[in-house]
Amino acid sequence: QVQLVQSGADAKKPGASVKVSCKASGFIFTSFGISWVRQAPGQGLEWMGWISGYKGYTNYAQSLQGRVTMTTDTSTSTAYMELRSLTSDDTAVYYCARSFCAGDCSSGRWYFDYWGQGTLVIVSS
Amino acid sequence: EIVLTQSPGTLSLSPGERATLSCRASQSVSSNFLAWYQQKPGQAPRLLIYGASSRATGVTDRFRGSGSETDFTLTISRLEPEDFAVYFCQQYGSSPVTFGQGTKVEIK
Repeated sequence: QVQLVQSGADAKKPGASVKVSCKASGFIFTSFGISWVRQAPGQGLEWMGWISGYKGYTNYAQSLQGRVTMTTDTSTSTAYMELRSLTSDDTAVYYCARSFCAGDCSSGRWYFDYWGQGTLVIVSS
Repeated sequence: EIVLTQSPGTLSLSPGERATLSCRASQSVSSNFLAWYQQKPGQAPRLLIYGASSRATGVTDRFRGSGSETDFTLTISRLEPEDFAVYFCQQYGSSPVTFGQGTKVEIK
């Protein structure tokens, strides 16, 4: 069965960086992309970006450009999301999600059919 | 980007009742590329509906998605105890994908 297992909770100080991992199983990793979606406490869902499983093409939310980097390791079927220059506004649960493409996968037309369990990142001094 | 507005913010209903949730888009959603998710406390979202009206694998037929262009609806025909949760819509017809702010369905 499809599974996405994320790394554990993390606490960071303002200005630091965090890297969250997402290990996939139960499907061919290179046939899908992975998106990252975050949810601040008590808030809605914010799409952060997408990375293809095949060649690592990326598409980032404009609001995070320059602060976020998404990578993959196809040898371990693992996706990573690194967020830099953290502020308290980055306190959230971070989810990875398998992205199902509607048409051209690089066009941004994805919905999310399987999700990781979430990783809580707390940014506080 | 397309802004999705969900209403109502909270729906208070009893088990067995019908729930009707609305998702309105600021502009037409291309190809009716709209999805619905269910989220329970402390859990990740779960895909219910994609393409406005197609149920995801394993989703009971009590959930029905409908609508087109700018107006979409999720209907839960008879609420079961496990249906009380927060529901989000998401459009994927235009980049970037965007989510609505959610509707909480609570027990009355």
